[in-house]
Amino acid sequence: EDQVTQSPEALRLQEGESSSLNCSYTVSGLRGLFWYRQDPGKGPEFLFTLYSAGEEKEKERLKATLTKKESFLHITAPKPEDSATYLCAVQGRFYGQNFVFGPGTRLSVLP
Amino acid sequence: SAVISQKPSRDICQRGTSLTIQCQVDSQVTMMFWYRQQPGQSLTLIATANQGSEATYESGFVIDKFPISRPNLTFSTLTVSNMSPEDSSIYLCSVGTSVNTGELFFGEGSRLTVL
Repeated sequence: EDQVTQSPEALRLQEGESSSLNCSYTVSGLRGLFWYRQDPGKGPEFLFTLYSAGEEKEKERLKATLTKKESFLHITAPKPEDSATYLCAVQGRFYGQNFVFGPGTRLSVLP
Repeated sequence: SAVISQKPSRDICQRGTSLTIQCQVDSQVTMMFWYRQQPGQSLTLIATANQGSEATYESGFVIDKFPISRPNLTFSTLTVSNMSPEDSSIYLCSVGTSVNTGELFFGEGSRLTVL
């Protein structure tokens, strides 16, 4: 069964204090690994897709990386507006396999 | 990407009643899904909304409780039937715009509270 775990559950950073969020997964053939940002009371907002080990994607202060067993979301010099819940999801390669979402990491960046 | 509108954005409902949530997309999409997000938890897929045919439900979800319609490629509805307080949750409409790239895009969600 496909599974996704994320750590830490919650993370509190000072503005400018860089850190990383972890997403560990097991899937029977990875089609893609996805990162989303979710603000309170809103739907998830798509950030990145990673398809193969070694791949990296960047967007502003965020960089996502992928290995065969896990993905990291690196946040460089975060700002208070980066505060949100970050969700990781995987999709298997076989036809009809649906997304499996992790529980998320709740990030708070303090000014 | 796609712009997804959901109605209602929130509602307070009485036990035993039913509520229909609407999802409108600004472009034709192949894949539409309905997710549930219970308080403090991640997303759980309820069903895939199939255009012109019955929805495909995930384990633990049944058509009698969550009937879904999808009359065309831009619109779908999810009904939560005979509601109980355990149905209090955020319900999210999601679409996939590309079979190749696989990303999902989400509406703002409908927050239901059942008293």
